Amino acid sequence: SQQGEEDPQALSIQEGENATMNCSYKTSINNLQWYRQNSGRGLVHLILIRSNEREKHSGRLRVTLDTSKKSSSLLITASRAADTASYFCAWQLTFGSGTQLTVLP
Amino acid sequence: DTGVSQDPRHKITKRGQNVTFRCDPISEHNRLYWYRQTLGQGPEFLTYFQNEAQLEKSRLLSDRFSAERPKGSFSTLEIQRTEQGDSAMYLCASSSIPGQGANTEAFFGQGTRLTVV
Repeated sequence: SQQGEEDPQALSIQEGENATMNCSYKTSINNLQWYRQNSGRGLVHLILIRSNEREKHSGRLRVTLDTSKKSSSLLITASRAADTASYFCAWQLTFGSGTQLTVLP
Repeated sequence: DTGVSQDPRHKITKRGQNVTFRCDPISEHNRLYWYRQTLGQGPEFLTYFQNEAQLEKSRLLSDRFSAERPKGSFSTLEIQRTEQGDSAMYLCASSSIPGQGANTEAFFGQGTRLTVV
């Protein structure tokens, strides 16, 4: 079973709004990664943040990492309907439980 | 497309039958991973290889499951005497070997969806 949690489990927002997803883990890490998965498809790597980094940006994505709290967050700004997918954090060989994001047009 | 490919994409089998899945990783990647994913859950780690060596196996991997990567290139995952609980998406991923203790991103295939009836 997963060794961490993501919240919320599901998130529904309007196009143009920001979406924030949180991830908590239980072990020490070298880095943490975020992936996206469209329904019934494989996972696509979004961004990697190293343990000595606190924040990282990539386009409309912003990831934060707090190793003292063993938590990370993924922020998607100015969301689009095409962002509708499941989002997972991952560390070492473990994935979180995921957040299902629905962006309404 | 030179990404990770998995075959077959879908497999329906009767309970008790054996099934084998194949994964072809990105050619320059040394590491290959197998995961299992059920609906609404994140992927669960099963096993991974570095070149031809199987370095780690999850406790989830019962003795009915076996994985090989004989030449350090493609890999196969076999499930013997399938059970209904084996129904899931089986995902394969590959990556380069991490440098200086840092992991690199994994590239995933589209998965093989197994249905055991």
